[in-house]
Amino acid sequence: AQSVTQPDIHITVSEGASLELRCNYSYGATPYLFWYVQSPGQGLQLLLKYFSGDTLVQGIKGFEAEFKRSQSSFNLRKPSVHWSDAAEYFCAVGARDTGRRALTFGSGTRLQVQP
Amino acid sequence: DAMVIQNPRYQVTQFGKPVTLSCSQTLNHNVMYWYQQKSSQAPKLLFHYYDKDFNNEADTPDNFQSRRPNTSFCFLDIRSPGLGDAAMYLCATSPTGDSDTQYFGPGTRLTVL
Repeated sequence: AQSVTQPDIHITVSEGASLELRCNYSYGATPYLFWYVQSPGQGLQLLLKYFSGDTLVQGIKGFEAEFKRSQSSFNLRKPSVHWSDAAEYFCAVGARDTGRRALTFGSGTRLQVQP
Repeated sequence: DAMVIQNPRYQVTQFGKPVTLSCSQTLNHNVMYWYQQKSSQAPKLLFHYYDKDFNNEADTPDNFQSRRPNTSFCFLDIRSPGLGDAAMYLCATSPTGDSDTQYFGPGTRLTVL
């Protein structure tokens, strides 16, 4: 079964600073990978996803993520953080070819942005 | 705009009093999911429908039931809510499952008194 680890529970960065949120997955083959963002009291919004092809994926709001098979990682990055980026970020993995139509989510990383 | 709608956004119920949460979608997606999310935790899948085919997660308590009368609507029924069932309940849809992107509604925050 697949699993996702987000090692950082809480991260604080200054506005304008760069950001990297870590995500490690466990799965026997190449997975589908997602990053979602959740603002307080809201549902989850898809930031970006990796299915195949180019390992550097561009998403909305200036986010990008890089799939590194050798490290089983899919870290999320943003070169310059805005105060509105403060939210909870979830990495998720989906399994190929298993017929399982569900995602496995990591436990999330809460991002705080300082002025 | 096509979207996933959840009603109500906030629901208060009493311990043991049945409650129903509603989800509707205008995306015409085949798959609809219900997740439970407790504070500062990841969403936990309760069950999903692929069209009319119901798929229950192994660890979902019997207290939780679901109905999907048509493509657009899906309901979550909690037969006898306990204090531990207080959570955010998220509905999501996807075109065919198979690890498609899931589209989430805004959630219903359930309080159990």
